[in-house]
Amino acid sequence: DGGITQSPKYLFRKEGQNVTLSCEQNLNHDAMYWYRQDPGQGLRLIYYSQIVNDFQKGDIAEGYSVSREKKESFPLTVTSAQKNPTAFYLCASSQGTSRGDTQYFGPGTRLTVL
Amino acid sequence: AQSVAQPEDQVNVAEGNPLTVKCTYSVSGNPYLFWYVQYPNRGLQFLLKYITGDNLVKGSYGFEAEFNKSQTSFHLKKPSALVSDSALYFCAVRDTNAGKSTFGDGTTLTVKP
Repeated sequence: DGGITQSPKYLFRKEGQNVTLSCEQNLNHDAMYWYRQDPGQGLRLIYYSQIVNDFQKGDIAEGYSVSREKKESFPLTVTSAQKNPTAFYLCASSQGTSRGDTQYFGPGTRLTVL
Repeated sequence: AQSVAQPEDQVNVAEGNPLTVKCTYSVSGNPYLFWYVQYPNRGLQFLLKYITGDNLVKGSYGFEAEFNKSQTSFHLKKPSALVSDSALYFCAVRDTNAGKSTFGDGTTLTVKP
């Protein structure tokens, strides 16, 4: 996991609440990604950012928002509009967006809706 | 659109035996393929990747993968399995579009003593 930290490790959300998941990297990577993992479904891309102050929607962006104000930080907000947010959330980064650039992952945040 | 398939949800092997975790892919153009391993409640760890060149790629922890263009496969292998290899394994293909990855659904490997 080295170089990428995610916090908190566990997060509980009540209905109607927005919550923010933190992702920080000290690898000096330009690109950062957020994935959602559900049992038996692999990883699905929520948002990605190729460079500071720029980000794009992934395959399942509805109900989520992000910001990229600093190179090392890419927080994800799960809004109340996300109807089924209980999942394991993984942040990743890569040196660039070339196809050969390896993505490195953080340890994840497990979000549970109460 | 690119895709990755891991046809086996579960693979069981005995310790000391060789293991294979299968992956097939569908891409337009040259494939850029990756294997990751995930232990319970942890992030994904990079094992190895194929970009170009030798069809046999060597990676971390004694793992290797064989790229086969004619069969569009990229199977993960290890000559002698360890109990500690028990984990969830993901195959992925990297897109030309902003380096996004498409992941397979994962294969759970169980190595029994």
